[in-house]
Amino acid sequence: AQSVTQLGSHVSVSEGALVLLRCNYSSSVPPYLFWYVQYPNQGLQLLLKYTSAATLVKGINGFEAEFKKSETSFHLTKPSAHMSDAAEYFCAVSSIGGSQGNLIFGKGTKLSVKP
Amino acid sequence: GAVVSQHPSRVICKSGTSVKIECRSLDFQATTMFWYRQFPKQSLMLMATSNEGSKATYEQGVEKDKFLINHASLTLSTLTVTSAHPEDSSFYICSARVSGGGYGYTFGSGTRLTVV
Repeated sequence: AQSVTQLGSHVSVSEGALVLLRCNYSSSVPPYLFWYVQYPNQGLQLLLKYTSAATLVKGINGFEAEFKKSETSFHLTKPSAHMSDAAEYFCAVSSIGGSQGNLIFGKGTKLSVKP
Repeated sequence: GAVVSQHPSRVICKSGTSVKIECRSLDFQATTMFWYRQFPKQSLMLMATSNEGSKATYEQGVEKDKFLINHASLTLSTLTVTSAHPEDSSFYICSARVSGGGYGYTFGSGTRLTVV
């Protein structure tokens, strides 16, 4: 079975500060890992994904994440937070070749950015 | 890029009535569509997986007779909430797996259902 744990349901940073959103996964098979952002009453927008290529993945809006197998982690970072980054962020895992292939989501982390 | 158009974005209905939510893949063929439900301030929970031309697979605890899913074509999947009750009020999101251009998923913009 696969699962994702996001540490911290709410993270608050100042504008211009480093953003670090934590995600740990559990998977018995090589995982595909995703980070999504959700603004209020909207669907999910893909920030980046790891699909067994480069372990450091760069995404949109200046976000990046590093896949660390030894730590079973896929933390999301951004060097300098903008006010527009305030949103809900979800980490998700999918199994390679899984019969269903659906995403399994973490509980989400709400990012607040203070001026 | 692959786009899924979801309608309506917001709907209010009376208790006991049915509501249909549509998800259309605009520029690709969606052989598989996932339907999720999201409660306020919570994560997305998979309700069911629909495959074009076959019956949907429902997750444990999801009433298949209440949440009717139809995936009659490669570009359209629908979720009908039958005999809706206030506890069915939620945010429903569809998602399609995209096979071209790398492994990924694209999401609809979601439907906010309020049952009064």
